[in-house]
Amino acid sequence: QVQLQESGPGLMTPSETLSLTCTVSGGSIYSDSWTWIRQPPGKGLEWIGHIRNSGGTHYNRSLETRLTISIDTSKSQFSLKVTSMTPADTAVYFCARLYCGRGGCLVDYWGQGTLVTVSS
Amino acid sequence: QSALTQPPSASGTPGQRVTISCSGGSSNIGSNTVNWYQQLPGTAPKLLIYSDNERPSGVPDRFSGSKSGTSASLAISGLQSEDEADYYCATWDDSLNGWVFGGGTKLTVL
Repeated sequence: QVQLQESGPGLMTPSETLSLTCTVSGGSIYSDSWTWIRQPPGKGLEWIGHIRNSGGTHYNRSLETRLTISIDTSKSQFSLKVTSMTPADTAVYFCARLYCGRGGCLVDYWGQGTLVTVSS
Repeated sequence: QSALTQPPSASGTPGQRVTISCSGGSSNIGSNTVNWYQQLPGTAPKLLIYSDNERPSGVPDRFSGSKSGTSASLAISGLQSEDEADYYCATWDDSLNGWVFGGGTKLTVL
């Protein structure tokens, strides 16, 4: 059973850079792709981006100038950096596994999520 | 505004059958498989249906998915109180070159 756990700051001030880390256990970080998804309070889900086990990345076009997703296989972790945070970036940030098989791709295992609040 | 359109709410009584729709376009639902997620309050989404109509191990067969053209549907039969949750459809969008989610449907069991 793959398990994921996000870690990072809960409270930030505007213009700061968000750094989140997701630790993967119970499965190999080498074998799949890994993604970040966020959910503003009371709103729906928004895909942020993902990183393949090869290291290649794919970003949401509306956010990509501010994003960096990286992977550290030695620590079984992948990370998200978002620059120039504003209150509009306040959300629960989820890390998750992106699995692709013959029938298509799906996000199957999710972390519990971490609330990031941006406020002055 | 989401690339996939879902009704904001749905409701039913215990034992009833409820369907939730997800409308998209040729670049998303029309070209790629659809997944459905259930999100209980305060928790992470849970995969409910993948590849349009497949259920992961452990998901009751009361839940089923279907797709036709650029629309998909989630059906829940034998509605139970624990089904009260938010439901999201999701798929890849070839034009946006990214994953897209529906806006979510809040299901109330009356």
